[in-house]
Amino acid sequence: EVQLVESGGGLVQPGRSMKLSCAASGFTFSDYYMAWVRQAPKKGLEWVASISYEGSSTYYGDSVKGRFTISRDNAKSTLYLQMNSLRSEDTATYYCARLPRYWGQGVMVTVSS
Amino acid sequence: DIVMTQGALPNPVPSGESASITCQSSKSLLHSNGKTYLNWYLQRPGQSPQLLIYWMSTRASGVSDRFSGSGSGTDFTLKISSVEAEDVGVYYCQQFLEYPLTFGSGTKLEIK
Repeated sequence: EVQLVESGGGLVQPGRSMKLSCAASGFTFSDYYMAWVRQAPKKGLEWVASISYEGSSTYYGDSVKGRFTISRDNAKSTLYLQMNSLRSEDTATYYCARLPRYWGQGVMVTVSS
Repeated sequence: DIVMTQGALPNPVPSGESASITCQSSKSLLHSNGKTYLNWYLQRPGQSPQLLIYWMSTRASGVSDRFSGSGSGTDFTLKISSVEAEDVGVYYCQQFLEYPLTFGSGTKLEIK
């Protein structure tokens, strides 16, 4: 059974950093692109970033480009999202996903002073 | 960026009636390989999104045959043939033809 379990969320002040992790299991992690998708409170879905099989290619949404970094450790079957210079508009539930079929349960990130 | 525009439903929809959700893309999602790069998801209240349809018209494993997807290169429809209480939630279309991946704003379905 495919499982994606996010961790690392919480409350952070504007301008600070936070790193999310996603532990994957039930499939060969290195065989798939992975992604982060977020959802602000009461809002729709927004793709954040994607990463290729070995991590050599990364893609970002305009709203996070230059501030967020997606990475992966295939030996640990873990996906990461390093978020720097956080803003209030980054407040959202962040989903780890093996698009399109598999999504984690999401982790909440609140950016507030 | 490809903009995805979704239509609204005349909520609430009576149980047992059909419902059609529209989605329009600002660029054709029909690739030269003949595939159309469009997905449909349902997000039930308090849950993660669930894949319903991929490649515009292929139902995902375990999804009821009451759900069907159709369309052209830029205009798409998700049809629910007989809505049930479990269909309540927000439906999203999403293009995966190119980065950045983009979602529609969502269409809420309420049942009467």
